[in-house]
Amino acid sequence: DTGVSQDPRHKITKRGQNVTFRCDPISEHNRLYWYRQTLGQGPEFLTYFQNEAQLEKSRLLSDRFSAERPKGSFSTLEIQRTEQGDSAMYLCASSLEGIDGANVLTFGAGSRLTVL
Amino acid sequence: GQNIDQPTEMTATEGAIVQINCTYQTSGFNGLFWYQQHAGEAPTFLSYNVLDGLEEKGRFSSFLSRSKGYSYLLLKELQMKDSASYLCAVSDSNYQLIWGAGTKLIIKP
Repeated sequence: DTGVSQDPRHKITKRGQNVTFRCDPISEHNRLYWYRQTLGQGPEFLTYFQNEAQLEKSRLLSDRFSAERPKGSFSTLEIQRTEQGDSAMYLCASSLEGIDGANVLTFGAGSRLTVL
Repeated sequence: GQNIDQPTEMTATEGAIVQINCTYQTSGFNGLFWYQQHAGEAPTFLSYNVLDGLEEKGRFSSFLSRSKGYSYLLLKELQMKDSASYLCAVSDSNYQLIWGAGTKLIIKP
């Protein structure tokens, strides 16, 4: 297993354009998370899937953000009508629901978005 | 509200010991995590504490006091490669992770 893969690693776009990021989690993991991180801050929760079901979505997330996880495998995060404030690192993480409650996340390398 | 506090930046000398503190106020508690994040890279898991006490893992140890809402990460025999940000995160009553802003650790020769 190669871990959590994210694509693209870097994306530069103009304000108002749509962007889509892809995440391929560790194959046996049933949970998948999307986070956003800006410089000097911890990861900010965006949304979470268990298998193909999107179980939680941050109230901070505007309607311009949408995520899918068809068939409970890879996931996509789409941002419509990007704004300069969307510039950040978008991190995907996956985990396997454990019986001991230790939900250890494995992160991908991230997709860095720059909105001009 | 939910809050995780940790120092913004710390400096230590190669070969020395450093302690990074984390205090938290969350709605419920289902464990505390420490992650390491090198600049431009993804966070990687270091430790997990759910019961009070010290967990040791090689050069790194993590301590938890639930009654005080307090944890620390102890790094021994510091190496230059330990220069990174260290993130404290608490799993709340809904098992969602609440993250601190991270402590940037600078190691000097």
